Amino acid sequence: EPEVTQTPSHQVTQMGQEVILRCVPISNHLYFYWYRQILGQKVEFLVSFYNNEISEKSEIFDDQFSVERPDGSNFTLKIRSTKLEDSAMYFCASSTGGKTQYFGPGTRLLVL
Amino acid sequence: AQRVTQPEKLLSVFKGAPVELKCNYSYSGSPELFWYVQYSRQRLQLLLRHISRESIKGFTADLNKGETSFHLKKPFAQEEDSAMYYCALSGYNTDKLIFGTGTRLQVFP
Repeated sequence: EPEVTQTPSHQVTQMGQEVILRCVPISNHLYFYWYRQILGQKVEFLVSFYNNEISEKSEIFDDQFSVERPDGSNFTLKIRSTKLEDSAMYFCASSTGGKTQYFGPGTRLLVL
Repeated sequence: AQRVTQPEKLLSVFKGAPVELKCNYSYSGSPELFWYVQYSRQRLQLLLRHISRESIKGFTADLNKGETSFHLKKPFAQEEDSAMYYCALSGYNTDKLIFGTGTRLQVFP
């Protein structure tokens, strides 16, 4: 069964550094999402992406964040200048548009 | 405000006991409700959604609009049901999922 994959599984970075989190959505899916979960807190929506543009974003998704689909398979989340509070588990998800979202295993980001 | 509340952080039961994981929501309009499950060291996966009205792995959930609830139930818990369960909602004109804080279900032998 096809699955969403994410790399890396863990990333440690210094505050102020740029990070890029990568996702490979399920191949016939057209809608892509990023969520994050700070330790001990709820899963929070960051952004949705369709047809090569952002369709919706949350208040969390400020100018430090960006998303891109650089080729036909990858979907990336970039954090330009990481802060301590960006430490979280980041989940990518994809769907065909029918509201059922399929999640990746997550990338655990630690900002020191 | 759009919100999903799961009042229990942890629910512990013995195998064979009934289980009810509570979920209440706040949403102006007609949301779509979901239950996601995360087994140990695995990804979040959809368990069921209210519009499907189906039973998955013996679990059912009924949307009660009057009480704004979507409780997850199973008559006889199994050890393999031990996992983190998240209730979530999605609105009419949006795909974004709003999650509750999750309830950890522990089923003891």
